[in-house]
Amino acid sequence: DIQMTQSPSTLSASVGDRVTITCRASQSISTWLAWYQQKPGKAPKLLIYKASSLQSGVPSRFSGSGSGTEFTLTISSLQPDDFATYYCQQHNSYSLTFGGGTKVEIK
Amino acid sequence: EVHLVESGGGLVQPGGSLRLSCVASGFTFSTFEMSWVRQAPGKGLEWVSYINNRGTTTHYADSVKGRFTVSRDNAKNSLYLQMNSLRAEDTAVYYCAKELGSGDYFDYWGQGTLVTVSS
Repeated sequence: DIQMTQSPSTLSASVGDRVTITCRASQSISTWLAWYQQKPGKAPKLLIYKASSLQSGVPSRFSGSGSGTEFTLTISSLQPDDFATYYCQQHNSYSLTFGGGTKVEIK
Repeated sequence: EVHLVESGGGLVQPGGSLRLSCVASGFTFSTFEMSWVRQAPGKGLEWVSYINNRGTTTHYADSVKGRFTVSRDNAKNSLYLQMNSLRAEDTAVYYCAKELGSGDYFDYWGQGTLVTVSS
């Protein structure tokens, strides 16, 4: 199985900050990567797919980049609604696998 | 509007069985692939199983292979997960999730149903 490693596991930031989360795959997955946001007690929400495609309805402050084994999710200006946990997911091959998550906390 | 509503969770003893259901609405269920994804309390997301739109192809995580069976009834807009030989480590919230259609990622999720395996 392809292993997905996210860093950092926790991130403290302030409203207005630029935030970057990294996801590394144990082998090349081309651009078959998605990003999700999850808030406590809620289902995940798709933000980005195919590494850089913004899901419909997601604010443009979210962006994704990368290919092969290294990927990033960037929030250009952190908003109060963005404090949550973020997960990457490879969709290159079954078994599908998620990263361990990055919790974005208020600084 | 797309809705996915899971049911069937609950408390079960180790070695027991449960059948989860997910009823879909707001889209043409028979044309989309579906998956089950779970999340143990306080932990991350784990993909569990996949089924194609016709129900002819399935995939499973190694952790559940041979114990869980995914199926669907397109006439009833329903997805199922039969879980046998349950273990404590299967304790989790189970989500059904709809694939976007252009890849194996999920644009809609249900609210989840909690499965607790404990004696």
